[in-house]
Amino acid sequence: EAQVTQNPRYLITVTGKKLTVTCSQNMNHEYMSWYRQDPGLGLRQIYYSMNVEVTDKGDVPEGYKVSRKEKRNFPLILESPSPNQTSLYFCASSSKRLIRGTEAFFGQGTRLTVV
Amino acid sequence: DQQVKQNSPSLSVQEGRISILNCDYTNSMFDYFLWYKKYPAEGPTFLISISSIKDKNEDGRFTVFLNKSAKHLSLHIVPSQPGDSAVYFCAASQETSGSRLTFGEGTQLTVNP
Repeated sequence: EAQVTQNPRYLITVTGKKLTVTCSQNMNHEYMSWYRQDPGLGLRQIYYSMNVEVTDKGDVPEGYKVSRKEKRNFPLILESPSPNQTSLYFCASSSKRLIRGTEAFFGQGTRLTVV
Repeated sequence: DQQVKQNSPSLSVQEGRISILNCDYTNSMFDYFLWYKKYPAEGPTFLISISSIKDKNEDGRFTVFLNKSAKHLSLHIVPSQPGDSAVYFCAASQETSGSRLTFGEGTQLTVNP
């Protein structure tokens, strides 16, 4: 079954404690990205990767890091989480180019709370 | 700078009637437009898309209309069903910027039985 898997689904942490949210896809997609969803703001892109070892900033990259060492995995790293990073996070993957509106596949989300 | 906007945070319709969700954009370079549906505790799922060279695309009960001159698109659901109750996101992409999607804020659709 084609899927994007994120872990954990829920996480409560304290300010400043480093954390990693994992994302894995089994569709051999080149393109992966991270979004955060906040009320009234929709989905905003944090980082994206167009292939292994190729990453770039999205619209709201501050406070986040990513890596793409393997095609299937794209972890999101918060080196020093702060309360304003409390949000719902989604990982997504798609084939490299959105041809004819090819859709992106999303994970189920990670609800992060930073206290 | 919100390039894709959905000005209605919520919409409520009666079962069997038409639901019309609207989306406006500012970037004339967008090539494709997509609609995603999101249920609580799940990730968004693709619903329907349209290329900028078309003005209409239909898939069953779902039709997307694109008005390039007005930089406006809409999603029509006919007839609406209670299972359509979800948050709907409009998204846009530029082929020249890879597979990057720019999303609107979302509209919560509620279909009442």
